[in-house]
Amino acid sequence: GAGVSQSPSNKVTEKGKDVELRCDPISGHTALYWYRQRLGQGLEFLIYFQGNSAPDKSGLPSDRFSAERTGESVSTLTIQRTQQEDSAVYLCASSLARGAERYTFGSGTRLTVV
Amino acid sequence: KNEVEQSPQNLTAQEGEFITINCSYSVGISALHWLQQHPGGGIVSLFMLSSGKKKHGRLIATINIQEKHSSLHITASHPRDSAVYICAVSMGGSEKLVFGKGTKLTVNP
Repeated sequence: GAGVSQSPSNKVTEKGKDVELRCDPISGHTALYWYRQRLGQGLEFLIYFQGNSAPDKSGLPSDRFSAERTGESVSTLTIQRTQQEDSAVYLCASSLARGAERYTFGSGTRLTVV
Repeated sequence: KNEVEQSPQNLTAQEGEFITINCSYSVGISALHWLQQHPGGGIVSLFMLSSGKKKHGRLIATINIQEKHSSLHITASHPRDSAVYICAVSMGGSEKLVFGKGTKLTVNP
């Protein structure tokens, strides 16, 4: 596609429920990143995928968070048993390759846990 | 202490002014990125630097590896430059970026 597409754009969920966020990267972009931005805070790295290599999961805040990517296409970020502190904008970005100069960001999914 | 510090936190300028935003980091890095986050939330990648200086239109980014410092300059600023400018660094060949908290720039007509 022309850009990085994320869905849903907004999600309100009850505490304790599971949520799944989706990211469609730009076709041909082998690198895919998930970030989180809590209200009034800076961006936080969550996870990085590069082709078929093992993902870098070092930024995932707890074992309630997981992410998958099928080949070099769609990625899903799953948050189990959501907590209020999970409320944030979850951003996905993709780039042509590891160490690329430019990232293309999606518009994000605003998650609100009530 | 955050590994990446930006200053100022907020900056207001008049159209046409020369803008400088600073970024300091405390660890050795492999690359430094400047990003722009628009009021609607969209993020645009501006520069990646590992040394020296880069220029794109009215934007100039410099980095001093020895001093662990980078600056983003905007010449002839315009209201459409109003955004949050974010500095981020990658370390040791990792793709994990560590972000500053951003500088909110407002350019008044």
